Order: sequence, then C-alpha cells, then structure tokens
Amino acid sequence: AQSVAQPEDQVNVAEGNPLTVKCTYSVSGNPYLFWYVQYPNRGLQFLLKYITGDNLVKGSYGFEAEFNKSQTSFHLKKPSALVSDSALYFCAVAGGSTLGRLYFGRGTQLTVWP
Amino acid sequence: GAVVSQHPSWVICKSGTSVKIECRSLDFQATTMFWYRQFPKQSLMLMATSNEGSKATYEQGVEKDKFLINHASLTLSTLTVTSAHPEDSSFYICSARIGTYYNEQFFGPGTRLTVL
Repeated sequence: AQSVAQPEDQVNVAEGNPLTVKCTYSVSGNPYLFWYVQYPNRGLQFLLKYITGDNLVKGSYGFEAEFNKSQTSFHLKKPSALVSDSALYFCAVAGGSTLGRLYFGRGTQLTVWP
Repeated sequence: GAVVSQHPSWVICKSGTSVKIECRSLDFQATTMFWYRQFPKQSLMLMATSNEGSKATYEQGVEKDKFLINHASLTLSTLTVTSAHPEDSSFYICSARIGTYYNEQFFGPGTRLTVL
C-alpha cells in the first residue's frame, strides 16, 4: 500500500535560518513525489515534484527537495526561512497500483519566528 | 500558472437541504478532477476521482448517493451534498490535473460548508 509519513506535526525555525520539513514514503514501483503548501482557509499550492532524473529538485519560493531512494525520503528544504513561509506543508506520493491518485501525509505546520 | 476556482467559498445551510459546489479550471482543460474533504488540522481525504463524461470513482466509505459528482465538461465538475447533516460540515477542496498521473494537481481555494 502507498503511504506518506511526515514525522513532525510542527517545525519551528527562526527567520534567516535553514529549514527542513521531513517526508518519507512507501510505494510499490517508481514514486512520484510532490510537496504542497496550504495557507489558512485556502486550497493547496504546488511547490515542486520529483518524477525522475536529478535527485535535487528546485521549486517555487526558493524551496527545494532531495529525493533519496535508499532512505525513501523526500525532505523539503530552504536555505533561509522567511516569516511568510509559515504555513501547513503536505508531502504526497502518486504511484504503485493506484496510479493517478495522491496519497498525502498528515501535514507539518511550519512556523517561522521573526 | 493553472488556476482552479470553487464556488461558493462558504455556505451555510439547514439540515436536510442539498448544496452544490462548483469547481472550474479557468485557463486549462482538466483531464481529471478530484474532490477532497479536510477536517480541521488534518490531511486531505480523497472522496472521489472523476473524468469528463464518465462516472466518478468513489473512495471506499464515501456514499456516492450522498455526494453526487458530475463532471460535465473538461473545465467543470460539481459536487452536490444531498440531504446534508451537521456531520457533513467540513472544508471541501477540488483539484484538477492535466494529462497523466505524474503531473501535479492544481487545487481550488476550497468551500467551507456548515450545516445547521
């Protein structure tokens, strides 16, 4: 069965510091991995995705993520956090026997302190 | 980028009435549309997947007679909550995807449904 784990419900970081939001996945076959961000009472915004190729994926708003096949991880990173990055972040995977649907992690609330 | 709209953004209704939520892809034709439900501080729960002109595929545990999905065109999908009850109160989000399964989904802003 396909699944995504985001082990941290909450991540707090000071503005200007690097941030990491963790994600691990389980899928049969090739994984197609996504990161989305959600602001309060809004839908999700696409940040980046990994399909194939370079393990380091760059996305919107200065975010990047590194695909690690051996550790089945796809952590989201940013070198210097902004207060405006504070939001709910979701990792998702598509793949396996039910291609087409996304399996979401439970989300990680990122708070960046000024 | 691709834009998905939802209407209404919020709705309050009485128990027993039906509510229709529209999801439109504004600047692209969506091969597939999805409907999700999100409870406070929780992840998204996929309710159903629909392709234009086809019947929706509902996830296990989702009542298809209660949550009616119509995908009449490549730019419009509707979700009708029939005979709504307070436990149907939730945040409903649609998304749309162009082409194949490894393309990203574009999400609407969501609809807050409150059933009194």
